[in-house]
Amino acid sequence: QVTLKESGPGILQPSQTLSLTCTFSGFSLSTYGMGVGWIRQPSGKGLEWLANIWWDDDKYYNPSLKNRLTISKDTSNNQAFLKITNVDTADTATYYCARITTHGRFAYWGQGTLVTVSS
Amino acid sequence: DIVMTQGALPNPVPSGESASITCQSSKSLLHSNGKTYLNWYLQRPGQSPQLLIYWMSTRASGVSDRFSGSGSGTDFTLKISSVEAEDVGVYYCQQFLEYPLTFGSGTKLEIK
Repeated sequence: QVTLKESGPGILQPSQTLSLTCTFSGFSLSTYGMGVGWIRQPSGKGLEWLANIWWDDDKYYNPSLKNRLTISKDTSNNQAFLKITNVDTADTATYYCARITTHGRFAYWGQGTLVTVSS
Repeated sequence: DIVMTQGALPNPVPSGESASITCQSSKSLLHSNGKTYLNWYLQRPGQSPQLLIYWMSTRASGVSDRFSGSGSGTDFTLKISSVEAEDVGVYYCQQFLEYPLTFGSGTKLEIK
């Protein structure tokens, strides 16, 4: 059974760095073909893909966020991480992590964690 | 970037009727391996998105056979036969052919 759960700070101030953790079970990020992606959704709006990390440590980022994103993983503890630097109110959203495979789909999603950027 | 454009539904849709949601991509999603990397997701109110269809027409595990996907390289349709109350939500198409991965803006389904 595959499960994922996101965790984050809840609220942070503009210009700070947002650190998110995805803790998962039911698969390993050391297994060929496995990956974790991050997607966010502002309240009442659509889905925006942010980044993917793969079993071989290959990483891909959404260029619209320029150099603000860093994705990483801790294979031993079944966790993936996303950092977003210099946040502002536009980064207020629910952040999801999801399992991906080389078959090309977000097959399993976490429940999401709401992040609010406010001064 | 590949732009995904979704059509709207004539809401509300009467229960038991069929509904078709369209999605168009700005570039063919047909891979050289013969698969079309177009996915469909449903986000029910207050829930996370769930995968319905992948590779344009393959139902995900546990998804009702009332859902079917079809299309060409750039034009896609998600058909819901005999809509039910549990089908209410926002439907998103998404391409997984190339980075950056992109989603459509979503299509809302309401039931009468």
